[in-house]
Amino acid sequence: SQQGEEDPQALSIQEGENATMNCSYKTSINNLQWYRQNSGRGLVHLILIRSNEREKHSGRLRVTLDTSKKSSSLLITASRAADTASYFCATEFTGGGNKLTFGTGTQLKVEL
Amino acid sequence: DTAVSQTPKYLVTQMGNDKSIKCEQNLGHDTMYWYKQDSKKFLKIMFSYNNKELIINETVPNRFSPKSPDKAHLNLHINSLELGDSAVYFCASTAGPGSYNEQFFGPGTRLTVL
Repeated sequence: SQQGEEDPQALSIQEGENATMNCSYKTSINNLQWYRQNSGRGLVHLILIRSNEREKHSGRLRVTLDTSKKSSSLLITASRAADTASYFCATEFTGGGNKLTFGTGTQLKVEL
Repeated sequence: DTAVSQTPKYLVTQMGNDKSIKCEQNLGHDTMYWYKQDSKKFLKIMFSYNNKELIINETVPNRFSPKSPDKAHLNLHINSLELGDSAVYFCASTAGPGSYNEQFFGPGTRLTVL
């Protein structure tokens, strides 16, 4: 299976702390994307990093990509209660067209 | 303005029935998808259409038949519903084939088969 694995499966932190989620995948990619899913809602795109990029920032989000290790991490700094959600990485594999393969997700809970 | 909309939001039905879920996007995108999310939140692609043409068809039972009347719509018809079909079904769209396109997701349709 090409499905990505995310780690940890669940993460509980206090508001203001940083949250780090990791994603590993198996084959070469064109890009890797991170999505957020609030409970009972659809997925929302957060950030896309191309295979030739190593780091990308968007507001309080920082994504890194290490293609040699086939892994990525998502860092959310200064977390807020509103960041409570499930976070998924999704990879577009080389030669896979526009098909995204989603990871297993990390459930983040940010407590006040 | 809703970018990707799905109807219905909830669908409860008996085993053996046939049902349809509709999806519409007003983003002007060429490519649309159906995903299935199971109870463990595992999200798996089912189908993809580009400009009304089927381009991705994962190993989905042939009881599932997508239909794209135009590039803004992608409907999913399910025949002879089974218990295992219970899941949340998401429609998504993206600008078109090729890399570097984010996908926009609908709110999901929660299907419960009794």
